[in-house]
Amino acid sequence: AQSVTQPDIHITVSEGASLELRCNYSYGATPYLFWYVQSPGQGLQLLLKYFSGDTLVQGIKGFEAEFKRSQSSFNLRKPSVHWSDAAEYFCAVGSNDYKLSFGAGTTVTVRA
Amino acid sequence: DGGITQSPKYLFRKEGQNVTLSCEQNLNHDAMYWYRQDPGQGLRLIYYSQIVNDFQKGDIAEGYSVSREKKESFPLTVTSAQKNPTAFYLCASTNSRQADQNQPQHFGDGTRLSIL
Repeated sequence: AQSVTQPDIHITVSEGASLELRCNYSYGATPYLFWYVQSPGQGLQLLLKYFSGDTLVQGIKGFEAEFKRSQSSFNLRKPSVHWSDAAEYFCAVGSNDYKLSFGAGTTVTVRA
Repeated sequence: DGGITQSPKYLFRKEGQNVTLSCEQNLNHDAMYWYRQDPGQGLRLIYYSQIVNDFQKGDIAEGYSVSREKKESFPLTVTSAQKNPTAFYLCASTNSRQADQNQPQHFGDGTRLSIL
């Protein structure tokens, strides 16, 4: 069965600084990988996805993620964080049966 | 605009009571899902349905029931057998008929269930 680990429960970053959120997955075949963002009391919004091809994936809101098969990682990055990026971020891995497994999430706080 | 509508946004349950959470989508998606979200635990799959009149248990189905009589609707009932129902419940859907498997799941805005 697939699983996802997000090692950082909470990250605080200054506005304008860079951000990197870590994600490690476990899956026997080629993974389908996703990053979602959730604002308080809201549903999840898709930031980006990786199915195949170029290992550097561009998403919405200036986010990107890099798939590294050798490290079983799919880390999310943003070069310059805005106050509106404060939210909870979830990494997820999909399998061939259309189910997703989610990590526990990383809460991002942005300080002025 | 197409999307997923969950209602109500807030729901309160008395001891021994069953409550039903609504999820409706107008995205013409075949597959629908129910997740439970607790602080620090991410999302856990309760039930999912890939086609009308068919559904499967997820990882934490005990104390919950679902139906899928229409493509657009996937209601979740939290029964009195669920002893710890306080959580945030999220419904999602995806187009499972695409050539590329694992199209992204689209989420509703959730229902927060609390015990009175």
